[in-house]
Formats: sequence, C-alpha cells, structure tokens
Amino acid sequence: AQSVTQLGSHVSVSEGALVLLRCNYSSSVPPYLFWYVQYPNQGLQLLLKYTTGATLVKGINGFEAEFKKSETSFHLTKPSAHMSDAAEDFCAVSGGAGSYQLTFGKGTKLSVIP
Amino acid sequence: ETGVTQTPRHLVMGMTNKKSLKCEQHLGHNAMYWYKQSAKKPLELMFVYNFKEQTENNSVPSRFSPECPNSSHLFLHLHTLQPEDSALYLCASSLDRHSYGYTFGSGTRLTVV
Repeated sequence: AQSVTQLGSHVSVSEGALVLLRCNYSSSVPPYLFWYVQYPNQGLQLLLKYTTGATLVKGINGFEAEFKKSETSFHLTKPSAHMSDAAEDFCAVSGGAGSYQLTFGKGTKLSVIP
Repeated sequence: ETGVTQTPRHLVMGMTNKKSLKCEQHLGHNAMYWYKQSAKKPLELMFVYNFKEQTENNSVPSRFSPECPNSSHLFLHLHTLQPEDSALYLCASSLDRHSYGYTFGSGTRLTVV
C-alpha cells in the first residue's frame, strides 16, 4: 500500500522567490512519483514524474523535483515563482512497475504574492 | 482543451433524481478512470476501465453506476444520491492501465440538494 503526505495545505511565496512544496511518501515497493497541478475550474495536469533513472526530474513551467529514497521525499521546487504558478499542486505515488493506480496527497494550494 | 471532455460542467440534482455524467476522449487511450474530488480530501479513485472492461471498483456505493460502451466514452450514472456525494467528479484516461500519462478532464461539479 502507498500513501502520500503533503506538508502544508497552503503555501504563499512572493513573485520571484523560490517555490518549495513538500511531499513525503510511503511505499512497500520502489515507487513511481508524480506532481500534478490543478488550476481553478480545471482538471489535473501532469507537471513531472519520476519512474526510474535520474533522481532529479524536470517538468513543465520550470518546475523540478528530486527523488530522495533515504528521506522518502519528492519535493517540488522552482527557482523563481511567477504569478501564473498560483494553483493547487498534488503529489501522487503509484506502486511502481505494473501498478497503475495513483494515490494522491491532499494537495497544497500555492499563492503567489505580487 | 485537455483532450478529455466532461459534460455537464455543473450539475445540481435532488436526492431522488437520476442523472448521468459523460466523459469522452479521442486520444487513442484504452484506460479510463473516474475520480471523486471533495474539499480537503485526497482524490479518491472510484472506477477503472481497461479496454472497456471494469478492472477496479474501490468500494463505491451502488448509487454510482459506471458504464463504458467503448474505449472513448465513459459514463457515471447517478441515482438516489446523498448530499455528501456533492463533489467534483474527474474523468481521466491513459494509454493503458500500465501507463502513467494520465490526462484529466475539467470535471463535473455536482451538487446534491
């Protein structure tokens, strides 16, 4: 079984500041990890994913995340926040190869202050 | 436009009504999913269809009845719902059940009165 914990239901950053959204997971098998973004009144859009290989993955809109097995973490970062980054972000985990079911965290709402 | 279209976008229904949600994709995907998104809760997977066959039912009450007539269309039939069923219902698709490139629709905001 898998689970996801997102630390902080709401994060506010100033425009141009570093964005850091935290995600910790638990999984009994090597996990596949994902970040999705949801803009108001829209569905979820994949930001980035880690399956195998390089532990630092780059996604759309300048976001990246690093898989740290020892810390069971997959934090999402962006060096410089933009107003258009304001949205709700979800971390998700699946049980690795052959297990397609995603378990989502509760989400973190990112606000960007001008 | 995400490639997955859900209709209607908003639905208000009484507890004795029967209604259906529709999801359509023309991405060539063969797996389709229904998720429920409630305030302050994680997304809940409800049903999974792979090549038109239901492969997952996550203990969803029988007042929710899915239908997948072909790989491009997915329905969620609703009857005798409860106010706590009010939520955003999201449809998603992927190439197949072992793929991770989920494409989500914009959802149907359901309010049960």
